[in-house]
Amino acid sequence: GAGVSQSPSNKVTEKGKDVELRCDPISGHTALYWYRQSLGQGLEFLIYFQGNSAPDKSGLPSDRFSAERTGGSVSTLTIQRTQQEDSAVYLCASSLGSGKQFFGPGTRLTVL
Amino acid sequence: AQSVTQPDIHITVSEGASLELRCNYSYGATPYLFWYVQSPGQGLQLLLKYFSGDTLVQGIKGFEAEFKRSQSSFNLRKPSVHWSDAAEYFCAVAAEGYKLSFGAGTTVTVRA
Repeated sequence: GAGVSQSPSNKVTEKGKDVELRCDPISGHTALYWYRQSLGQGLEFLIYFQGNSAPDKSGLPSDRFSAERTGGSVSTLTIQRTQQEDSAVYLCASSLGSGKQFFGPGTRLTVL
Repeated sequence: AQSVTQPDIHITVSEGASLELRCNYSYGATPYLFWYVQSPGQGLQLLLKYFSGDTLVQGIKGFEAEFKRSQSSFNLRKPSVHWSDAAEYFCAVAAEGYKLSFGAGTTVTVRA
């Protein structure tokens, strides 16, 4: 595709609800990343997928956060039982191998 | 662990003037260093990167950066700024070649 796409662009949810954020990487990119951008914490790494290897989940802030990547392409970031501190912009990026990362426009999540 | 410091939270510069954004990193090995720009409502765009070799790196939009190992710095420069350069700029270091750690960002305002 032309670039990394993410959906939805905005998501408003109530505290305690589950949300799913989607990322479509650039076609052919083997690596996919999730980052979070929030006022208090800046830009933080969340999780990294590379091919068929086990993902690096070291940045996930709690066990309420999980992500999967199906068929080596689309990825879904799931946040269970959302809390107000989860409000942030969630950015997805992809790259060919461990090279230059191309970022999507992000999903702005607001937890009321 | 790796980290990045951007000492300047906000810089105001006149259109046509030169710009320098500071970045200091902490990383044990040879770092992979990046500068990204984020315009309002936009995703992150890579301006330039340093992996090895020539310490003066040229990027897009007329930007350049110089890697100075002795000072642990990777400052970004532009000789003459345009109003469209108003944005937030992030310096980042990649651990293990992929996991980006970002600085807090520097907001650049361009006055006419």
